[in-house]
Amino acid sequence: ETGVTQTPRHLVMGMTNKKSLKCEQHLGHNAMYWYKQSAKKPLELMFVYNFKEQTENNSVPSRFSPECPNSSHLFLHLHTLQPEDSALYLCASSQGRGPQGEQFFGPGTRLTVL
Amino acid sequence: GQSLEQPSEVTAVEGAIVQINCTYQTSGFYGLSWYQQHDGGAPTFLSYNGLDGLEETGRFSSFLSRSDSYGYLLLQELQMKDSASYFCAVRGNAGNMLTFGGGTRLMVKP
Repeated sequence: ETGVTQTPRHLVMGMTNKKSLKCEQHLGHNAMYWYKQSAKKPLELMFVYNFKEQTENNSVPSRFSPECPNSSHLFLHLHTLQPEDSALYLCASSQGRGPQGEQFFGPGTRLTVL
Repeated sequence: GQSLEQPSEVTAVEGAIVQINCTYQTSGFYGLSWYQQHDGGAPTFLSYNGLDGLEETGRFSSFLSRSDSYGYLLLQELQMKDSASYFCAVRGNAGNMLTFGGGTRLMVKP
């Protein structure tokens, strides 16, 4: 257990559905992240939140919409996704700009878009 | 742009030593991290090098040469449980963004 939880662990959705991924960290960190991990590709940073403010959007399509209501919770709202969006979505947290920048990852949500 | 290169696969036997290399080309550099990810699991932090030289943590060591834009992860006394993917990641500035390499899949055989 890393102190970062994600729900659901698995999600299958159609292209017209709307769903949300949830992430919660119990580590007292002030930075949270969404990553996409596809087969045979590097981990891709999607969004960064520092103290609830979005500080990075890595050219992510608007069909992905993040929300960070407080420093412990992070959501990723999904709508009208494409089959190529099928991937493992990982949430992570860190103690902001700490000396090592160590990030703690959740177990991920395995998303399949039909 | 940012790019990190590491071998896609490495195979070694139990008890051996293996070195996983990582070369990077980034617009900024603040430090190099290594993460381990078992199949079906989350990436977990292994080590960080902010300065040149070797950092040792038990059976794992990590090395950095900033002048060569190169680092490596050294795993000693390999165990079957070390079979996993290993990712290098560059921290480009004092902020908290990481750029990851494609990962090296390590297979440890008896």
